[in-house]
Amino acid sequence: AQRVTQPEKLLSVFKGAPVELKCNYSYSGSPELFWYVQYSRQRLQLLLRHISRESIKGFTADLNKGETSFHLKKPFAQEEDSAMYYCALSWAAGNKLTFGGGTRVLVKP
Amino acid sequence: GAVVSQHPSRVICKSGTSVKIECRSLDFQATTMFWYRQFPKKSLMLMATSNEGSKATYEQGVEKDKFLINHASLTLSTLTVTSAHPEDSSFYICSARHGTGGETQYFGPGTRLLVL
Repeated sequence: AQRVTQPEKLLSVFKGAPVELKCNYSYSGSPELFWYVQYSRQRLQLLLRHISRESIKGFTADLNKGETSFHLKKPFAQEEDSAMYYCALSWAAGNKLTFGGGTRVLVKP
Repeated sequence: GAVVSQHPSRVICKSGTSVKIECRSLDFQATTMFWYRQFPKKSLMLMATSNEGSKATYEQGVEKDKFLINHASLTLSTLTVTSAHPEDSSFYICSARHGTGGETQYFGPGTRLLVL
């Protein structure tokens, strides 16, 4: 069965510091990974997906199949990055998503 | 574009009553909609997948007679929690997607259900 693990429930960093959110997955098929973000009192929204290989709001994530990881990184965190971040795995031919437990990021001034 | 709405945003009901939650794609046609449940301080758990014009497929452990899903049009899916009990109190979130696979899911704002 597919599984997504985010080991950190809370990450607290100072503004301007680097931030890395860990995500590990287990899936027997070919994985498609996503990062979703939920700002305070807002809905869940897509941040980035691994197949796009793009940087959104300064965030990047690289799929490492050897380590079965898809860690999210940003070199210089901003206060507006404070939010809940969920890593998700697409399976069943892209028809379903399994979410990790989420990591709350708090960027302090 | 790609906005998904849910109604109501919150509902309080008495134990034993049924509650209907609507999920609408406002500016696109959603062939597939998904229903999730989120417990406090927990992640989203997929409950069921709803395809327009066909029966929903439920995830293991989700009672289909308890959580009735209807996807009557390409822009509307409904989740009815039948004979609600306090343990059904939760945050219910829907998402919608164009196409048949691999595309991005767009999420609704969620509906908070409290069963007294």
